[in-house]
This record gives sequence, C-alpha cells and structure tokens, in this order.
Amino acid sequence: KQEVTQIPAALSVPEGENLVLNCSFTDSAIYNLQWFRQDPGKGLTSLLLIQSSQREQTSGRLNASLDKSSGRSTLYIAASQPGDSATYLCAVPNSGGYQKVTFGTGTKLQVIP
Amino acid sequence: NAGVMQNPRHLVRRRGQEARLRCSPMKGHSHVYWYRQLPEEGLKFMVYLQKENIIDESGMPKERFSAEFPKEGPSILRIQQVVRGDSAAYFCASSPWLNRGQGNTEAFFGQGTRLTVV
Repeated sequence: KQEVTQIPAALSVPEGENLVLNCSFTDSAIYNLQWFRQDPGKGLTSLLLIQSSQREQTSGRLNASLDKSSGRSTLYIAASQPGDSATYLCAVPNSGGYQKVTFGTGTKLQVIP
Repeated sequence: NAGVMQNPRHLVRRRGQEARLRCSPMKGHSHVYWYRQLPEEGLKFMVYLQKENIIDESGMPKERFSAEFPKEGPSILRIQQVVRGDSAAYFCASSPWLNRGQGNTEAFFGQGTRLTVV
C-alpha cells in the first residue's frame, strides 16, 4: 500500500525566501508524481507533473524533482511571494494502470509580507 | 474544453436526508474518480468508475454511500441518510482511457462540492 508523507507539515517564511517542500513515498513503482496547490476552502490546482522517466520539471518559479529509487520528490519555490501561501500536496497514482491517487499529508505554507 | 465540472459547489443537508453530488468529466474522459477530504485531513480515494462500471470502490464506506457513472450524463455520488460525519469536501477527477501500464496522464480535478450536514 502506497504511503505518501510530506515534510514539513507547516512552514512560515518571509517574502522573498527560496524554500523546499519535501515528499516521500513508500512504493517506488510509480508512473508519475504530481504537485498540487490548494487554497483554503478551494479546489486543487495542478502545479507540476513529473513522469517517472524525468528527473525534474519546471514552471516559472517552481521546480520539482523526482528520485524514484529513494522514494522522494522536492518542490522548490524561488523568491516566495505572499500569494504563494496555500497548502501544497504531492500525489502519486497507483501502479495498477489507472489514476487512483494517493495524496500526501500536505505542507501548509505561509509567506509573510 | 471545459474542465471537470462539479455541482453543486456547496450543499447543506439535514441529518437523515440524501445528498447527491454530480461530476461531469472533461470532454473525452471516460474515467471518473471520487475523493473525500474530511476537515483537517488529507484527500482519500473513494471510488473509480468507468462508464456503467465500478472498477474500484475500495475507499467507499460500506453503508449509505453509492456511486454511478451512467452511459449518458454525469457521475453521481449519493449519500443516503447523511450524518454530521459526512461533512467534507468531495472532489471528482477524470482521466482519459489509457492502456494498462501507461501512467503518463495528469489527474484533472474539479473544484469540489462542500457538503455540510446540520
């Protein structure tokens, strides 16, 4: 059974800092890994999708890396802004060939102006 | 191409009533997944459906909950005789058909339905 853990559970940083969110998973037989953002009371916004064959993926100030062998992914946010404040979730589909996803526990980020 | 559409966005039900949550997948997607997010908890898988078939319901509570994805129309998550513990955000996701072993598609999520049981 896949288990996904995110560290830290909460993070508070001043505006402008670079930061790293961590995600670890127990079953390395994954097809891809996806990072989402969730604002309070809102839905999920997909940020980045990394295929199992990729090492990293970038979008704007976001960079996600994947190390399948060690069961880890990181989300790097450069030059953080107050608008980045949200909960960040990593998610891994199961190995059964369909998109049954196991979500991580989430990191709640607060960027202080 | 509209995204995954869920309605209603907010639903209030009294204890004992029925709740019906609807999900229209993205155009061309034939797979639907339902997830539940209890207050202060993470998202948990509930059920995976293809048109007219339930493929994986390992996350569904054994009683009062059911799901369908008919040949025509949206997928429905139905909760009978709701209790306060059913209050949560329910998210739907969809994906296109893919061969077993292909996992290179994204999970596309709707905005969720927030159910409050009073």
